[in-house]
Amino acid sequence: DADVTQTPRNRITKTGKRIMLECSQTKGHDRMYWYRQDPGLGLRLIYYSFDVKDINKGEISDGYSVSRQAQAKFSLSLESAIPNQTALYFCATSDGGSPPYEQYFGPGTRLTVT
Amino acid sequence: DQQVKQNSPSLSVQEGRISILNCDYTNSMFDYFLWYKKYPAEGPTFLISISSIKDKNEDGRFTVFLNKSAKHLSLHIVPSQPGDSAVYFCAARNGAGSYQLTFGKGTKLSVIP
Repeated sequence: DADVTQTPRNRITKTGKRIMLECSQTKGHDRMYWYRQDPGLGLRLIYYSFDVKDINKGEISDGYSVSRQAQAKFSLSLESAIPNQTALYFCATSDGGSPPYEQYFGPGTRLTVT
Repeated sequence: DQQVKQNSPSLSVQEGRISILNCDYTNSMFDYFLWYKKYPAEGPTFLISISSIKDKNEDGRFTVFLNKSAKHLSLHIVPSQPGDSAVYFCAARNGAGSYQLTFGKGTKLSVIP
């Protein structure tokens, strides 16, 4: 089984709809992250959480919210989806912060907002 | 302002030859640099890293070189194999403040059999 899972894998939604992307991990890591990838723009950090009670905004948090329901679960919500939120979304996890600081990524969710 | 730059969107290399992927950065507070590999329909996977106090790190066919004075790093793959065809992302960890990773835009490597 995959260590980091994301649901759904693909989603098409309409402008103005609320949508939630879910992430679960079995790695036992405390830290979890949400990124989006746009063509030609690489990965950009949306939100990150160092533990259940700690939530931090990343580079591009506007229009998004998150919830850390448990150590293993981190959800990303788009309260009112807009077309420029069409992108590939990745969840990632890491341990307490020791070298080489690698993050482990889920398979991604492809979101299309029409 | 882009702090991690991968200026080559794509690179084609013959099987068996060397692949060199480049990355430049601007933030002097980056203390660790990582390379990720991404296949289509999969998440990025960690490949190799280097501390800012080192100038070289090697792992099998993969070597990363860091030139701190030039704020430049490169990933060498020798010999290149068709299975290495993927998008490669350079990432840097901010050692002060956020401690988060900043990613470059990626370079698509195609290894031609």
